[in-house]
Amino acid sequence: DAKTTQPPSMDCAEGRAANLPCNHSTISGNEYVYWYRQIHSQGPQYIIHGLKNNETNEMASLIITEDRKSSTLILPHATLRDTAVYYCIVRDVIQGAQKLVFGQGTRLTINP
Amino acid sequence: DAGITQSPRHKVTETGTPVTLRCHQTENHRYMYWYRQDPGHGLRLIHYSYGVKDTDKGEVSDGYSVSRSKTEDFLLTLESATSSQTSVYFCATVMTSGRFGSYNEQFFGPGTRLTVL
Repeated sequence: DAKTTQPPSMDCAEGRAANLPCNHSTISGNEYVYWYRQIHSQGPQYIIHGLKNNETNEMASLIITEDRKSSTLILPHATLRDTAVYYCIVRDVIQGAQKLVFGQGTRLTINP
Repeated sequence: DAGITQSPRHKVTETGTPVTLRCHQTENHRYMYWYRQDPGHGLRLIHYSYGVKDTDKGEVSDGYSVSRSKTEDFLLTLESATSSQTSVYFCATVMTSGRFGSYNEQFFGPGTRLTVL
């Protein structure tokens, strides 16, 4: 079972910031939060990850609350190519391997 | 994209026939995974491998077997395909899990669309 809860869909205007929320109230102290996205029928693509501190890379920013029970992925200037399903994942580690448990994700639509 | 290829990309088969899907990677990544994706279920882990000849089950392993005789190849076999195994199958790789709590990106292949009639 996925350990995260996300809204099923969101809309955002092109050029605006897209803010995608994720709840992970049962996250444990050593678990990271990861974000992937899946464009149309392609394989998922890594976006960003974080543990406690806010993170930023060339694709997005990740804001994690102080209690770590929720986070927000921010796409600062959304483009039409950012239309995709976005998955928030809390990592489960088994025997050193990474088991990513995907939930339903948020279907983000960027409108012109 | 870690040089991941999947073959075939599309396959239509009949119930009861054996099917093998291949995942090939060129980056010498240690860990490899097979997922299936169905409407309403997101991606679900079928099996994974943490080294040559080292494999383990994921959450939906019934009806599937895997083999990894070389680092670069991870095979998924449906011994007797059923209509419930109609799905899109994704392979993924990770270079190393790193120490506990650290992270390494999973790279995904382009997917195989399997239809079992």
